[in-house]
Amino acid sequence: EIVLTQSPGTLSLSPGERATLSCRASQSVSSSYLAWYQQKPGQAPRLLMYGVSTRATGIPDRFSGSGYGTDFTLTISRLEPEDFAVYYCQQYGNSRWTFGQGTKVEIK
Amino acid sequence: DVQLLESGGDLVQPGGSLRLSCAASGFTFSHYAMSWVRQAPGKGLEWVSIITGSGDSSYYADSVKGRFTTSRDNSKNTLFLQMNSLRAEDTAVYYCAKCLVGAIASDYWGQGALVTVSS
Repeated sequence: EIVLTQSPGTLSLSPGERATLSCRASQSVSSSYLAWYQQKPGQAPRLLMYGVSTRATGIPDRFSGSGYGTDFTLTISRLEPEDFAVYYCQQYGNSRWTFGQGTKVEIK
Repeated sequence: DVQLLESGGDLVQPGGSLRLSCAASGFTFSHYAMSWVRQAPGKGLEWVSIITGSGDSSYYADSVKGRFTTSRDNSKNTLFLQMNSLRAEDTAVYYCAKCLVGAIASDYWGQGALVTVSS
């Protein structure tokens, strides 16, 4: 099973700042199979990115994804108030999914 | 609009059984794989299961394999999760979600159903 490790656990930033979230896999992940989700308290997850760098429908272009192999990054270019949330990476392989443990982006 | 509505969440004793349902609308249900993902209180997301669009194949996390069964009724646009031999650690909000083509991720999620396993 591929284990995904996200860092940092918590990111304290101010609105307007740039956020860089990391997701590291224990084995190589196909680039087609890495996704990112956003979750706010009391809400279901929301798909942000899939295939590493493809934005899901309705996702603003301040969100971008990059990486390959075992190291992936989600970047939020300028944080808006609604971006403070928990972010999860997810990989698909051998008909199984795994999620990272999440990164909380909080207001500094 | 795509809508997913889970039902069936409840309080159940350890060792008991429960069946969750997920009613889907707004898309051609049989064309898409569907997934179940759960979230224990205050914890992260944990993948539970995926079922193909036809229902011919389903896959499970090791933590639920042999105890949980995913099925679907494409004539009624409904997804099911049969949970047997429930344990305290199965306590979670269970989300159903529509998969993208290739089942690589889920683009629409239900609001979740709370399952509490406790005596």
